[in-house]
Amino acid sequence: DTAVSQTPKYLVTQMGNDKSIKCEQNLGHDTMYWYKQDSKKFLKIMFSYNNKELIINETVPNRFSPKSPDKAHLNLHINSLELGDSAVYFCASSQGGTTAGNTIYFGEGSWLTVV
Amino acid sequence: AQSVSQHNHHVILSEAASLELGCNYSYGGTVNLFWYVQYPGQHLQLLLKYFSGDPLVKGIKGFEAEFIKSKFSFNLRKPSVQWSDTAEYFCAVTRNSGNTPLVFGKGTRLSVIA
Repeated sequence: DTAVSQTPKYLVTQMGNDKSIKCEQNLGHDTMYWYKQDSKKFLKIMFSYNNKELIINETVPNRFSPKSPDKAHLNLHINSLELGDSAVYFCASSQGGTTAGNTIYFGEGSWLTVV
Repeated sequence: AQSVSQHNHHVILSEAASLELGCNYSYGGTVNLFWYVQYPGQHLQLLLKYFSGDPLVKGIKGFEAEFIKSKFSFNLRKPSVQWSDTAEYFCAVTRNSGNTPLVFGKGTRLSVIA
């Protein structure tokens, strides 16, 4: 009964392809996130959704498009993949956003390799 | 925008040695502070957090951190490390207002040798 689950865990694909990573949380949280961890382990926020509404959209290429069909799901679609997109993508969730010390729970990560 | 600095990139310790990992943030307002740990090949797990009250926070696995507001610091400590503490440690901060993102430091890799 994983709290935040993402699929696939590993993905190897060629440049130019389009791919999606799915995320689901069973914690009943109202806020979900996508973080990118690069090869140097640096973690950076990409998107945040609260009750299916986009609230944080950091400087991310338009090729990345999040989709939140409901509060429990936040999928990430990437068009025209580039070598620099290779990274680990972490989905996360919290209740009530990041104020008042709310804890963010992370999924196990999706290792994307673009060749 | 707030930022987080972790000055130690890689720390190597022998088992039973004491640990202190530095974390400084740059934001003058009220903040929430976190330490996450990432074991090899795994996701991030919360070690401890501070958002109000006692500035000395105790977390899981014997870790603690002290929030020193005047120094903008939130250093992580453990009196005696074990081999199983080998992992990447991330300090993170968010402002205590609005839906501001959790900003991570670049992480400190801890290697504990027997």
